[in-house]
Amino acid sequence: GENVEQHPSTLSVQEGDSAVIKCTYSDSASNYFPWYKQELGKGPQLIIDIRSNVGEKKDQRIAVTLNKTAKHFSLHITETQPEDSAVYFCAASGGGGSYIPTFGRGTSLIVHP
Amino acid sequence: DAGITQSPRHKVTETGTPVTLRCHQTENHRYMYWYRQDPGHGLRLIHYSYGVKDTDKGEVSDGYSVSRSKTEDFLLTLESATSSQTSVYFCAISEPGGIRLTDTQYFGPGTRLTVL
Repeated sequence: GENVEQHPSTLSVQEGDSAVIKCTYSDSASNYFPWYKQELGKGPQLIIDIRSNVGEKKDQRIAVTLNKTAKHFSLHITETQPEDSAVYFCAASGGGGSYIPTFGRGTSLIVHP
Repeated sequence: DAGITQSPRHKVTETGTPVTLRCHQTENHRYMYWYRQDPGHGLRLIHYSYGVKDTDKGEVSDGYSVSRSKTEDFLLTLESATSSQTSVYFCAISEPGGIRLTDTQYFGPGTRLTVL
């Protein structure tokens, strides 16, 4: 089955800095890669996603890049703000025709004012 | 926000008692999922459903059962709760192959369960 590794587990940055979270996956057939943000006491919410036929996608201050050859994808947050502080999860799905995503273990992002 | 509610939102129970958690959706999505979230483990799939009365096991299904008698409701039952089942439980829904052709999951607000 699919295996998703996510790093780092904790990331601390100063407000205004950029933050990068990286994930690797094992199943080359996976074709959908969403990123979720989970604020304290809430359920995860989709913030951006990318399919395997696209190398990069941007939405204002966040972007996701995908390297299919290396089987890794990354979340980039620019000009971080305190409200970006949360736990971020990556996921991969689509391998073997499965709709069930495999999640990374999460990254706790702390943005210091 | 996707129309997903979970009940109860918090529950404290004793070891050996049965517990049922409910997930209700108003989106008419085919797939529904139950996850547990524990520190250091991320989100782990317990069971999922791909239609009414159609369910399958996830990676941590031991000690849990599910039922789905209507599209909108997905129940998770702990037949005899144990302290190791203390966790935060999330329900999620998805509609694979829908308009966006994605496997995007939408999560409920969670249920915090404590088993004493």
